[in-house]
Amino acid sequence: SQKIEQNSEALNIQEGKTATLTCNYTNYSPAYLQWYRQDPGRGPVFLLLIRENEKEKRKERLKVTFDTTLKQSLFHITASQPADSATYLCARENSGGYQKVTFGIGTKLQVIP
Amino acid sequence: ETGVTQSPTHLIKTRGQQVTLRCSSQSGHNTVSWYQQALGQGPQFIFQYYREEENGRGNFPPRFSGLQFPNYSSELNVNALELDDSALYLCASSFGSDGYEQYFGPGTRLTVT
Repeated sequence: SQKIEQNSEALNIQEGKTATLTCNYTNYSPAYLQWYRQDPGRGPVFLLLIRENEKEKRKERLKVTFDTTLKQSLFHITASQPADSATYLCARENSGGYQKVTFGIGTKLQVIP
Repeated sequence: ETGVTQSPTHLIKTRGQQVTLRCSSQSGHNTVSWYQQALGQGPQFIFQYYREEENGRGNFPPRFSGLQFPNYSSELNVNALELDDSALYLCASSFGSDGYEQYFGPGTRLTVT
């Protein structure tokens, strides 16, 4: 089965620094990866989608990369703010499979003022 | 806030009972996916409905079933509830079944006693 691995330990960084979160996947490269933000007790909020043929994608202070050699996606938040504190989820699609999407466990980010 | 709504917000049921959860998709979206999220875990894909047909399913037993209606709203039914079914149930709508960002509702918190 397709797996997504995210560092389940919390990431604490200082305000203003760049946060980098890692998502590793197994088996074949997915056609796309998605990143979501989830606050406690709420549904995930879509942030970015990156396709297999895209190396990098940006949206405001967010940047995501997709490295099919390393089987890894990195998610960066530049100039981080305390309001960025949340759990960030990575999800892969499973094309050709009946189980459409696999989510990772998420990485909890804490931005310290 | 997305345009995806779920009802009820919270629910307490007894082991062995049956439950129906409801989801209204965002306007213009024809696909609804359902997820189960246990505490401290990522969302687990239950199934997806695309234009009223089941279009994908995760590793969930047949007592988890669903429907999608002509207006693309959806229901998740769970029979013979077990204690392990206690979780946050999320629905997400999207414009298509693959390669599109998903918009999640706030979730239904189900507690089975």
